[in-house]
Amino acid sequence: GAVVSQHPSRVICKSGTSVKIECRSLDFQATTMFWYRQFPKKSLMLMATSNEGSKATYEQGVEKDKFLINHASLTLSTLTVTSAHPEDSSFYICSARDFGSGANVLTFGAGSRLTVL
Amino acid sequence: KNQVEQSPQSLIILEGKNCTLQCNYTVSPFSNLRWYKQDTGRGPVSLTIMTFSENTKSNGRYTATLDADTKQSSLHITASQLSDSASYICVIYGGATNKLIFGTGTLLAVQP
Repeated sequence: GAVVSQHPSRVICKSGTSVKIECRSLDFQATTMFWYRQFPKKSLMLMATSNEGSKATYEQGVEKDKFLINHASLTLSTLTVTSAHPEDSSFYICSARDFGSGANVLTFGAGSRLTVL
Repeated sequence: KNQVEQSPQSLIILEGKNCTLQCNYTVSPFSNLRWYKQDTGRGPVSLTIMTFSENTKSNGRYTATLDADTKQSSLHITASQLSDSASYICVIYGGATNKLIFGTGTLLAVQP
């Protein structure tokens, strides 16, 4: 089945630094990937839709200059949290849809836990 | 008010017992309803997907039902195992912008 890999799974950084999270579709091509944020005991919240070869589409209230998304290839999207602050600490999850499978299943990565000190 | 409400918020059951989780939604239009299992610190994993015309769908010990008239869905877990301990999330694909709308989940703990 479709596999989505996220890296790193955990990252701790100092306030003010930037952190990059990678999302890869391992056995399928994904023209569209999605980035979510999840706080403890809360729902996943869609941050942005990452489109291969074009600009990402951000949800209302998500700062595009803060959360940089790059989707340079059909198998890789990256989320960079710039000038991270403690309030950016969260669980970030990506997902991708394998249109080739015909099953309309959205596959999620395992998530990346960011802690900003 | 959330467009996808789940109940109970949390549930503790003994290993081997059955349980049923509920999902009520107000999302319209509706494309499909999905149940996901999310282990702590992991990404969600799909259990079932149901379209408007489907009433029930099973995946092993998991059986989902859908009543599109009352906008209710349930996830029934049979003969629970310790590994079933997780958060179960009801997700609707639809709405005015045709996106995934997530419920807040039910946290299930299966105890020996």
